[in-house]
Amino acid sequence: DGGITQSPKYLFRKEGQNVTLSCEQNLNHDAMYWYRQDPGQGLRLIYYSQIVNDFQKGDIAEGYSVSREKKESFPLTVTSAQKNPTAFYLCASSLRPGRPYEQYFGPGTRLTVT
Amino acid sequence: DAKTTQPNSMESNEEEPVHLPCNHSTISGTDYIHWYRQLPSQGPEYVIHGLTSNVNNRMASLAIAEDRKSSTLILHRATLRDAAVYYCILRPSNNTDKLIFGTGTRLQVFP
Repeated sequence: DGGITQSPKYLFRKEGQNVTLSCEQNLNHDAMYWYRQDPGQGLRLIYYSQIVNDFQKGDIAEGYSVSREKKESFPLTVTSAQKNPTAFYLCASSLRPGRPYEQYFGPGTRLTVT
Repeated sequence: DAKTTQPNSMESNEEEPVHLPCNHSTISGTDYIHWYRQLPSQGPEYVIHGLTSNVNNRMASLAIAEDRKSSTLILHRATLRDAAVYYCILRPSNNTDKLIFGTGTRLQVFP
């Protein structure tokens, strides 16, 4: 089955630690995205990548980093510089950048930092 | 970025049609109107999108006002599985990689 996988579903970390969230897709999509969702809010774009080895900052990139070394993988690192890292993180992909194709979302990772 | 306005919540009974409104008075001529929905603790799911004409697919219909300042997502027969938060999103054609989510409409469906 084609789709997007995110792991783990739940993640707990101590304050001051970096943590990397996994996102893999087997849809052969060019574009991938990371969003953050806080309780009762809509999604906000953190980073996106239109092609391998290239990515752009979204609206709330501070305290986050990404890499896109392979087409199917787009991991997100939440660094200790992110002031409020506890949130629901969602990864998405779409067929081609620059077109109004639908975005397919993964099941999300709920990160709790204490 | 053009904004959308949706009611915070709506209710429906099972098997009845549901009309979810969205106002987007600052829409530009090349903005696409997208709808996504999100079930609790899941990622959003694409529902439908359109530019000027009304659109139908297996999930829903999208009715777009002639002046494009508003649109309505129509679920023809609500089921309990349609209970979700529905997001109306304007997607600029010149930067279609950005989906700007508002807080959406929470739809409750009663048996």
